[in-house]
Amino acid sequence: GENVEQHPSTLSVQEGDSAVIKCTYSDSASNYFPWYKQELGKRPQLIIDIRSNVGEKKDQRIAVTLNKTAKHFSLHITETQPEDSAVYFCAAPSDTGRRALTFGSGTRLQVQP
Amino acid sequence: EAGVVQSPRYKIIEKKQPVAFWCNPISGHNTLYWYRQNLGQGPELLIRYENEEAVDDSQLPKDRFSAERLKGVDSTLKIQPAELGDSAVYLCASSLDSRVAGVTDTQYFGPGTRLTVL
Repeated sequence: GENVEQHPSTLSVQEGDSAVIKCTYSDSASNYFPWYKQELGKRPQLIIDIRSNVGEKKDQRIAVTLNKTAKHFSLHITETQPEDSAVYFCAAPSDTGRRALTFGSGTRLQVQP
Repeated sequence: EAGVVQSPRYKIIEKKQPVAFWCNPISGHNTLYWYRQNLGQGPELLIRYENEEAVDDSQLPKDRFSAERLKGVDSTLKIQPAELGDSAVYLCASSLDSRVAGVTDTQYFGPGTRLTVL
């Protein structure tokens, strides 16, 4: 089945710096890669996703890049703000019909003011 | 547009007791998922429904867990009897089936039910 590995597990940056979180996946047929942000006690919220027909997607301060050959994708947050502090999860389609998701183990991002 | 609704938000029970969680998906979303999220980990799929049919329940511990989605809208997940290791957040998610083979649809999560088994 699909295996998603995420790193680092924790990341601390100064306000205004950039943050990068990386994920690798095992199934070369995977074609959809979402990123979710989860604040303490809250629901996972989709912040950006990318499908395999593009290599990069941007939404204001957030971008995701995809390298299909190497089977990895990354979340980039620029000009970080304290409200970016949360746990971020990457995901890829599970191998069971590609309808469900297999999640990474999460990255706790702390933005220091 | 209302998001995915779950209740209760918190539940504390003693081991061996039964417990049930309820989920109302986003209106019009025909696919519904139940995930379990252990502390410090990502969500893990328990069961997926397409309309009222459970199409992927391979990760559901069927000796004690059951689920239903009557009429293809709301869903209930039940544990009977609960064990200490069942303590986790139970997340419901829904998506609109694009009906395109091999395409993973965007999933929207509810706030979850935090279960504590004592």
